[in-house]
This record gives sequence, C-alpha cells and structure tokens, in this order.
Amino acid sequence: LAKTTQPISMDSYEGQEVNITCSHNNIATNDYITWYQQFPSQGPRFIIQGYKTKVTNEVASLFIPADRKSSTLSLPRVSLSDTAVYYCLVVTNSGYSTLTFGKGTMLLVSP
Amino acid sequence: GAVVSQHPSWVICKSGTSVKIECRSLDFQATTMFWYRQFPKQSLMLMATSNEGSKATYEQGVEKDKFLINHASLTLSTLTVTSAHPEDSSFYICSANPDRNLMAFFGQGTRLTVV
Repeated sequence: LAKTTQPISMDSYEGQEVNITCSHNNIATNDYITWYQQFPSQGPRFIIQGYKTKVTNEVASLFIPADRKSSTLSLPRVSLSDTAVYYCLVVTNSGYSTLTFGKGTMLLVSP
Repeated sequence: GAVVSQHPSWVICKSGTSVKIECRSLDFQATTMFWYRQFPKQSLMLMATSNEGSKATYEQGVEKDKFLINHASLTLSTLTVTSAHPEDSSFYICSANPDRNLMAFFGQGTRLTVV
C-alpha cells in the first residue's frame, strides 16, 4: 500500500483558498488518490477522488501531476465550517481494497 | 451518495459487559464492510474486514475473540466488543463500498465508553 505524507496542520482565514499537498511516492498504476474530511466525533466524508491531471466537483479541486507522486487538494474560499481533519488516501482499484489512513491534516479556519 | 448508518451513536457500559454495534448500508448492498477504531487525536486504524457469509479478516494485533464480527446479510454487519474494559473505550467506525466502487462511505461512528 502506498504510504502518504501530508502536513500535520494548517491554518487559514475565512474566504481564503487552501491547498493541502500530499505526497505518495510509491503510488502504483492501479491506485487512485482519494481525499476525505472528518469532523470531531463523526465518520470521514468523501470529498474527491482522482487518477491524474485535475478533478473538480462542487466542493473542491484535486490536482495531480503527471508523475502522480503527489496531489493537492484545493478548497476555494474556506469558511469556519471547513475546520476539520483532511485525509489523503491511495486506493487500489482491485475491488474492495482496505483503506490505510495516515495522520491527516488538521485545518483550522479562523474568522 | 450512498448511506451507511451505525447504531448506537454512543454507548456507556460497565467493565466486563459486552456491547454490540450495528452497521447498515441503507441504500446499497455490501458484501464487504470494514471496521475501524479511532482513539482521541489519532487517525483511523483498520480493525477488521467483515465478509458477508464468511469469517471476518482481522488485522494484526486485533483479538478476534474480543471483537466479534457478524455479517449475516448484505446490508448489516455487527461488531460485538466482548468483556469490555476501559482501554476498549474508543470511537468505532464502519465503512462500506457500493458494488466495486472505489468510494468508501462511512457510518457516523459509535463512541464507546467503558466504565
């Protein structure tokens, strides 16, 4: 399983764009990059998933360079409610593969 | 998106008793479900993989006789913490993937406190 590395914490202010970068040097051909958000005392919530280049949905964008050894989750114009832990995971496209959670990034959004 | 529901959301039990936690996929069938445990300020740790109609697969270091998993139907997996002790107090979370979907959906979690 590809190991991921992300910053332990990040601080931002309301209205700013936040970019959280994750490195996954050992990513394999069949692997996808997935990001989850977790609030205290709740289960993780899926944010976005991608394989290469750029993926955008109503919540975030995911940028993946050609070598796929890293990825960047971009949250546009964050609000206080975006304060949470964000996990970057590498998921293998081989049926029901288990998820290995790293330490995640604690994002604190201040007024 | 798909919905995974856990019950109860929180439970307090006495040391030595057993507690059952249910995980249901509400709008899809799941032949496989996953159980995680999360201690305060730590990440999720996979405990076991629950397989419908067969034995669960436990991660190294997880006692299968203490954490009993039953996956009797395509929409329900249960985790029973037997003879609970205070060190079993934690946040337990289940997840499931709709058929061959790379996207996992998580339950809301169950806060277990053993006193």
